[in-house]
Amino acid sequence: RKEVEQDPGPFNVPEGATVAFNCTYSNSASQSFFWYRQDCRKEPKLLMSVYSSGNEDGRFTAQLNRASQYISLLIRDSKLSDSATYLCVVTLFSGGYNKLIFGAGTRLAVHP
Amino acid sequence: GAVVSQHPSWVICKSGTSVKIECRSLDFQATTMFWYRQFPKQSLMLMATSNEGSKATYEQGVEKDKFLINHASLTLSTLTVTSAHPEDSSFYICSARTGFLRTTGNEQFFGPGTRLTVL
Repeated sequence: RKEVEQDPGPFNVPEGATVAFNCTYSNSASQSFFWYRQDCRKEPKLLMSVYSSGNEDGRFTAQLNRASQYISLLIRDSKLSDSATYLCVVTLFSGGYNKLIFGAGTRLAVHP
Repeated sequence: GAVVSQHPSWVICKSGTSVKIECRSLDFQATTMFWYRQFPKQSLMLMATSNEGSKATYEQGVEKDKFLINHASLTLSTLTVTSAHPEDSSFYICSARTGFLRTTGNEQFFGPGTRLTVL
């Protein structure tokens, strides 16, 4: 079983739509949680951290459910520029090191 | 945010040659650097972690004699793919952080990646 699982998509949505991505992680010892964005052939960039209390950054809302080991990202009022792959990431202290564990990503395509 | 550069951004080489990729932190001192590999439509996989002046720690399944990592200064780490083969073709990304490995909360800053194609 993968450590971080995501629906690969693609999610094809029109501009202005609301879209939600989900992610599950297998290791309950995971400590920190993030959503990253990766554009084609580029490096991943931190979108936002995720907390149990939920957090919002403009059109983006992230939520963590530790009991279910489930992370979500909601994008409201989608823009063309939101088209990218969204990576769910957890940190795990393993073998003496704190590591980022990446999901394979969910592709989003926003069309006019 | 902090800037991490990688060089080269892409490289094409013949099978059997060695390729060196440089990763530099431009405006901060990177105590810890990470090397990842990403195959198409797959997740970034951590290959190894290194602290400046120490030997790198490799993830399970990554051959340390094939992927040589040197973190000789606080601003430079290099990854050398020795005797590259077509199956080594991938997107190699480095990242850097300022804190020591055992601390949490320090953001990792990613380089732009190096696309390696081995013919």
